[in-house]
Amino acid sequence: GQQLNQSPQSMFIQEGEDVSMNCTSSSIFNTWLWYKQDPGEGPVLLIALYKAGELTSNGRLTAQFGITRKDSFLNISASIPSDVGIYFCAGQLPTNNDMRFGAGTRLTVKP
Amino acid sequence: DTAVSQTPKYLVTQMGNDKSIKCEQNLGHDTMYWYKQDSKKFLKIMFSYNNKELIINETVPNRFSPKSPDKAHLNLHINSLELGDSAVYFCASSQIETQYFGPGTRLLVL
Repeated sequence: GQQLNQSPQSMFIQEGEDVSMNCTSSSIFNTWLWYKQDPGEGPVLLIALYKAGELTSNGRLTAQFGITRKDSFLNISASIPSDVGIYFCAGQLPTNNDMRFGAGTRLTVKP
Repeated sequence: DTAVSQTPKYLVTQMGNDKSIKCEQNLGHDTMYWYKQDSKKFLKIMFSYNNKELIINETVPNRFSPKSPDKAHLNLHINSLELGDSAVYFCASSQIETQYFGPGTRLLVL
């Protein structure tokens, strides 16, 4: 019940296309975070969401904290080759502040 | 001026050996974590320390033991290494919600 379901598992897109990925759960979360992991590196924070309904942008990235507090999505507009990597969602549980991570979305961008 | 640093970056060792991975954060955060990332890239939390107290201890083998000499450091000791311990281990730190990750330690047990 506290697991995050992240989809899609992988995406292969052309440069310039928009991308959308999401995370859902049957549990409520206090905070939603989106990370990107480049090959051989650690996850790097992209966007943090703290309130239900919050919509936040960071350059070409936009993420939203679902109204029900059980989901979040990340959109990337006009993708470029350096967007390649694995994107992880993470949620913080209200009960004990534990973090849960999604399984990741592997993004490949073809020039 | 790296926020969260880990050493070594690569660690190749034989089964049965004991090894340690070090982590340091210069962010002044109160909580530090260790994660294991398997070959499928799934991130699994192993431990977290808050003000020198272990507050999460997931079901990891007791061959793994975190050691925190001070608030800025959380080291991971692994005894009697097994083949299945091969993975990437990430250290992270946080103040409230947002966790910041180190670059990872790639452990290969032969």
